[in-house]
Amino acid sequence: AQSVSQHNHHVILSEAASLELGCNYSYGGTVNLFWYVQYPGQHLQLLLKYFSGDPLVKGIKGFEAEFIKSKFSFNLRKPSVQWSDTAEYFCAVRGSGGYNKLIFGAGTRLAVHP
Amino acid sequence: DGGITQSPKYLFRKEGQNVTLSCEQNLNHDAMYWYRQDPGQGLRLIYYSQIVNDFQKGDIAEGYSVSREKKESFPLTVTSAQKNPTAFYLCASSAKGFGNQPQHFGDGTRLSIL
Repeated sequence: AQSVSQHNHHVILSEAASLELGCNYSYGGTVNLFWYVQYPGQHLQLLLKYFSGDPLVKGIKGFEAEFIKSKFSFNLRKPSVQWSDTAEYFCAVRGSGGYNKLIFGAGTRLAVHP
Repeated sequence: DGGITQSPKYLFRKEGQNVTLSCEQNLNHDAMYWYRQDPGQGLRLIYYSQIVNDFQKGDIAEGYSVSREKKESFPLTVTSAQKNPTAFYLCASSAKGFGNQPQHFGDGTRLSIL
């Protein structure tokens, strides 16, 4: 069965620190990969996505993620976080099974202190 | 503005009672989804629908029912058979026929047991 693993459940950083959130998935076929963000009191929003091509994808608000097929990973990065990046981040994978079915990771809560 | 509207924002259920969560979208999306979000578990798929009058069970459909009589509406009923209904429920939609289309999410309904 497909699964998504996010290794860090809670991350605490100071402003200007660099961020990397891990995401690994288990699926041997072609995948579409997503990172969603949920800011406090807001709905889930798409941060970035990978379908094909350049494995380094850029998203909104300075976020980027790198797809490493050999490691089944899609880690999210940001060189310098801000207080406004405090949110919960979800990695999601769409593999086979059709119908745009997404498998979500458990999420990582990021708290950025000023 | 197009989007997904979920209501109510908060809902309380008595033991043995069925409750219905509303989800309406004006994005002209064919596909709609219901997820349940629990702390530390990410999002789990309850039901999804690719077209009007058709829907499929997701990973945790037991104790839930849905209908899709109109393209823009996908209500979820939490039945008395669902023994642990306290959770945050998210509705999503996406365009059909394009497997790599991201899902758009509503603001969610928080259901609690009295």
